[in-house]
Amino acid sequence: GAVVSQHPSRVICKSGTSVKIECRSLDFQATTMFWYRQFPKQSLMLMATSNEGSKATYEQGVEKDKFLINHASLTLSTLTVTSAHPEDSSFYICSARTGWVANYGYTFGSGTRLTVV
Amino acid sequence: DQQVKQNSPSLSVQEGRISILNCDYTNSMFDYFLWYKKYPAEGPTFLISISSIKDKNEDGRFTVFLNKSAKHLSLHIVPSQPGDSAVYFCAASMGGTASKLTFGTGTRLQVTL
Repeated sequence: GAVVSQHPSRVICKSGTSVKIECRSLDFQATTMFWYRQFPKQSLMLMATSNEGSKATYEQGVEKDKFLINHASLTLSTLTVTSAHPEDSSFYICSARTGWVANYGYTFGSGTRLTVV
Repeated sequence: DQQVKQNSPSLSVQEGRISILNCDYTNSMFDYFLWYKKYPAEGPTFLISISSIKDKNEDGRFTVFLNKSAKHLSLHIVPSQPGDSAVYFCAASMGGTASKLTFGTGTRLQVTL
């Protein structure tokens, strides 16, 4: 089945530094990727939708200059948290649109736990 | 504005019994609903889905019911097993499958022995 590999699974960084999270579709081409974040005991909130070769569409309230999304190929999308601060500490998850497959169009990565100290 | 809500943050059920997880939505434009199971520090795993043209979909131990007039759906797990213990999210989309998902707040299910 469709697999999305996300890494790193866990990262700790210092305040003010940038962190890049990668999501790769391993056995299919993902024209669309979704990026979510989840705070403890809360829902998954969609941050942005990225389409290969074009600019990402950000949800209301998400700073596009802080959360840089690049979807340069059909198998790779990256999220870069720039100038990270402790309030950016969260669980980030990517999801790829896979079309009409058994999981009805979505495959999720395993998530990245970001801790900013 | 939380368009998809799961009003029970937690649920405890004995092994072998039925687990019923509920979900309410406010946006009548949603036409596709999904249930996911999630463990801590992992991505969600798809369980079952239902289109708005149906009122029931069944897959093994999992059944999803949709009541469009009440804007309510529920997931039934029968029989519940200890391995079902996890957080369950309902999600909704509009404009067909593979459109962006709006997730509920999650319900933590604990299946006890």
